[in-house]
Amino acid sequence: GENVEQHPSTLSVQEGDSAVIKCTYSDSASNYFPWYKQELGKGPQLIIDIRSNVGEKKDQRIAVTLNKTAKHFSLHITETQPEDSAVYFCAASGNYGQNFVFGPGTRLSVLP
Amino acid sequence: GAVVSQHPSWVICKSGTSVKIECRSLDFQATTMFWYRQFPKQSLMLMATSNEGSKATYEQGVEKDKFLINHASLTLSTLTVTSAHPEDSSFYICSAREQGQGFGYTFGSGTRLTVV
Repeated sequence: GENVEQHPSTLSVQEGDSAVIKCTYSDSASNYFPWYKQELGKGPQLIIDIRSNVGEKKDQRIAVTLNKTAKHFSLHITETQPEDSAVYFCAASGNYGQNFVFGPGTRLSVLP
Repeated sequence: GAVVSQHPSWVICKSGTSVKIECRSLDFQATTMFWYRQFPKQSLMLMATSNEGSKATYEQGVEKDKFLINHASLTLSTLTVTSAHPEDSSFYICSAREQGQGFGYTFGSGTRLTVV
């Protein structure tokens, strides 16, 4: 089955700096790669996603890149703000959401 | 966008009692919903897939008699933790996907269960 790894497990950055979180996956059949943000005591919220026919996607300060050959994808957050502090999870699944697997998560702290 | 409502947000119960958690899809129908369990500082672990009108599918190692799932309508799935014990204390989260609206799953706000 699919296995998703995520690094780093914790990340601290100064406000205004960029943050990068990387994930790798094992199943070449995976075609959908979402990123979720989870704040303390809440459920995960989808922040951005990418499908395998696209190499990069951007939404304001957030961008995701995908290298399907190498089976890795990354989340980039620019101009970080304290409210970006949360746990971020990557995930991988098939085209129709099957075999949906989360990464272990990255705890991001943005220091003011 | 799609919204999944989960209740209660927290519950405290005594050992040996049962607790029911509700997961509702608002403004969309969900033939399939998912139940996750999350321990502190860990990722979400899929417990079971809830199928409307049929039996739930449980992941390996999850006791189906312990965690009863009912998906009686296209907008409601319930998880009942039966004869709860302190080790069942955890954060339980449900999710659903709106058909034809992309591939992303929408998650509920979670339920913090504490068994004393």
